[in-house]
Order: sequence, then structure tokens, then C-alpha cells
Amino acid sequence: KAGVTQTPRYLIKTRGQQVTLSCSPISGHRSVSWYQQTPGQGLQFLFEYFSETQRNKGNFPGRFSGRQFSNSRSEMNVSTLELGDSALYLCASTLGASNTEAFFGQGTRLTVV
Amino acid sequence: GENVEQHPSTLSVQEGDSAVIKCTYSDSASNYFPWYKQELGKRPQLIIDIRSNVGEKKDQRIAVTLNKTAKHFSLHITETQPEDSAVYFCAASKADKLIFGTGTRLQVFP
Repeated sequence: KAGVTQTPRYLIKTRGQQVTLSCSPISGHRSVSWYQQTPGQGLQFLFEYFSETQRNKGNFPGRFSGRQFSNSRSEMNVSTLELGDSALYLCASTLGASNTEAFFGQGTRLTVV
Repeated sequence: GENVEQHPSTLSVQEGDSAVIKCTYSDSASNYFPWYKQELGKRPQLIIDIRSNVGEKKDQRIAVTLNKTAKHFSLHITETQPEDSAVYFCAASKADKLIFGTGTRLQVFP
């Protein structure tokens, strides 16, 4: 069974630009969550999608948005990039039933210059 | 809002010693507590988890304890080995919203 796949692995963007990251969950998993990982801040929850609906949301500004498609693939968009958005963005998929193991992708390393 | 505090941020132990990492959560409705290990340059991977109806769970050299009243849970690693060196994250979950602690960098010296 293929694992969680994130593309691209690395991105360099300029301040003010926007970026879209993609996450393909494990086959059969219906929930996808997104996290921002920075040194010292750990893994901060962005949002969670289940059956194409945002089910949970973290405390990030509206510049961060996401969506989920009917095949459970998810995209995350960040608009008007700031230097502080530089981070590793991880997605994780679960079956979608409550409190089951989350499987992480390898992440997308975003650098904003 | 939900918050998970994790201590210590760094932990150095001699090979063979035990290591303990502690977490405190704020949302009393949290009912699932996983622990993830992240090796350098790799993705986080689940090493053990516990649900709120259980007080303790053990899997070989690792164990997790949960005190729901105090809203504390801890990871215990016995007989540490160099390959245990990594960053460990605790998390508290309610309805599939996983809130992570800030991580503990564990270094095991031979």
C-alpha cells in the first residue's frame, strides 16, 4: 500500500506570491490534516478535511486555506506569502473514524525569500 | 483554546538508562493521546498511543501513562539505545483534531 505522498518536496517563493501544496492520502483514508513544522514550535495544526469538508481548523490566518477532492486528495494554499511562512508543511491521513493513527507524508519544505 | 505542553525540550541520557517525557493537555474532552518519533530528515511516525479509558499501555521498552484527572500523560523509554535518538512529540486529540506538543529532542550517548 502506498504511503502519504506530498508534492512538491521543495519550493522557493518570493514574498507576496502564493503557493499550492498537494497531499495524496493512503488509499481508503478519508481524512487529511495539515501541519506547519518550524524549529521550536513543533507541529502546529492548520486544518483537517473529511469527505471534502473542512471539519477542524487551527489558529492560522485566512491566508492559509485548503480543500479536499472527491478522491480524498487535498491541497493547501497560502496567499500573500510572508517570510515567516517558511517551514516544513506536513500532511497526515487517517481513516477518518475518530482517533485512529495518523500517517504522515514526507512534507514540503517551503522557503520564502 | 487547546494546548499541549511538553517537557523537557531536550534530554540527554546514557545508553541503558531510562528516559521520561511529560505532557500536559488543556482540553478535558481530549480522548486519544499518541506519541510520535521523528528522526532527522524523516516524517513523524507513531510509536505508541493510549485512549482515555486506559491508564497505562506498554510495548516492549516503551510505555505510556495517562492521568485524566491531572490531564497529564508521559512516555517512558527503558534501556535506551542510540537508535532511540530522535525528536518525540506527544499529542492530544478530540474528534480527529490532533494538537501536538513542541517536541523533546532525545539524545542517547553510547
